[in-house]
Amino acid sequence: EVRLLESGGGLVQTGGSLRLSCAASGFIFSNYAMSWVRQAPGKGLEWVSSISGVADWAFNADSVKGRFSISRDNSKNTLYLQMNSLRDDDTAVYYCARCLVTAAADPNDYWGQGILVIVSS
Amino acid sequence: DIQMTQSPSSLSASVGDRVTITCQASQDINNYLNWYQQKPGKAPKLLIFDASNLETGVPSRFSGSGSGTDFTFTISSLQPEDFATYYCQQYNNLRYTFGQGTKVDIK
Repeated sequence: EVRLLESGGGLVQTGGSLRLSCAASGFIFSNYAMSWVRQAPGKGLEWVSSISGVADWAFNADSVKGRFSISRDNSKNTLYLQMNSLRDDDTAVYYCARCLVTAAADPNDYWGQGILVIVSS
Repeated sequence: DIQMTQSPSSLSASVGDRVTITCQASQDINNYLNWYQQKPGKAPKLLIFDASNLETGVPSRFSGSGSGTDFTFTISSLQPEDFATYYCQQYNNLRYTFGQGTKVDIK
């Protein structure tokens, strides 16, 4: 059974840093690209960042470019999101999701339960 | 960046109704379009990928069509468990964009 479990969320001050983790199980982690997607309270879904299975490419949304960094440790089956210079509008539930790269549109076929990040001064 | 315009933003429907949601891309995205369902407090669930392919285990009352810039998502006969918010998602050059979402509620 595929499982994704996020951790590391919480309350952080404006301008601060936080690192989210996503522990994966039930599949060969290094065979899959992974993404972070967030959802601000009462708002829609926003793609944040994606990374290939062997970390030879990674891309961020313009809204987090230069502040957030995605990485992975395939020996630990874990995905990370390092978030720096946090702003109030980064407050959201953050989901990690697996990318089904066998499909042309790389859909996110499995999702974690989400972790809440609150940024406040 | 590619923008996705999803409509309507909300709709009210009854059990058994046919429901249609559209998504328009700001440029040609071929068939790189996915559809998700999200219920309150839950993670999104993949329903349709590559514009028209039904994800394994998803009921056949859900369907998708379109290519290029114009896409349609249809629920042929709305069931009580289908009341939720639906999102389209495009994929281009290793980046994704979601539509604004369509909330389907009970009439």
